[in-house]
Amino acid sequence: ETGVTQTPRHLVMGMTNKKSLKCEQHLGHNAMYWYKQSAKKPLELMFVYNFKEQTENNSVPSRFSPECPNSSHLFLHLHTLQPEDSALYLCASSPPGADEQFFGPGTRLTVL
Amino acid sequence: EDKVVQSPLSLVVHEGDTVTLNCSYEVTNFRSLLWYKQEKKAPTFLFMLTSSGIEKKSGRLSSILDKKELSSILNITATQTGDSAIYLCAVESNTGKLIFGQGTTLQVKP
Repeated sequence: ETGVTQTPRHLVMGMTNKKSLKCEQHLGHNAMYWYKQSAKKPLELMFVYNFKEQTENNSVPSRFSPECPNSSHLFLHLHTLQPEDSALYLCASSPPGADEQFFGPGTRLTVL
Repeated sequence: EDKVVQSPLSLVVHEGDTVTLNCSYEVTNFRSLLWYKQEKKAPTFLFMLTSSGIEKKSGRLSSILDKKELSSILNITATQTGDSAIYLCAVESNTGKLIFGQGTTLQVKP
């Protein structure tokens, strides 16, 4: 248990649905991250937020929309996804001045 | 194109064996190299390496970075079945970009 929580843990959605993934930490961390882990592919960094400001967007399609309303919460809004977007979506956070990242348990997303 | 390559992709050993996992990288503006252990859940941070030649150690695990060779190794001595996992190597650039390798799947048999 790292102190980073993610909800829901499992999500099944159709291609026309709109859903959101939530990540929360009350560890005092200032940086938060979204990662995608697909089967048989390396872990991919999607978005980075530092002090609520997005600092990295690794060429992620616009059907994924992140939101960071404060330094404790991070959302990933999903809209018109494709079946190939089915994956484990991991959230992580890191404390100020440190590179160590603490990962949440992930949301297993299936797009039908 | 930035890339991180790990070898071997999979490894089966017996308890008590020593294993060495490799990570090589080609990343512009290298900042740090990180090792993670991933079991059924999310990755767990193991080490962060920034300086060449300085070994980081934690119990039976140790890691060292060679910036000349653009590589790092992760050693696990006296392996136990609980060491069975996927070991991920990632390299961070100065821009904050993080690139992961494919991982090495380690299975430790009793």
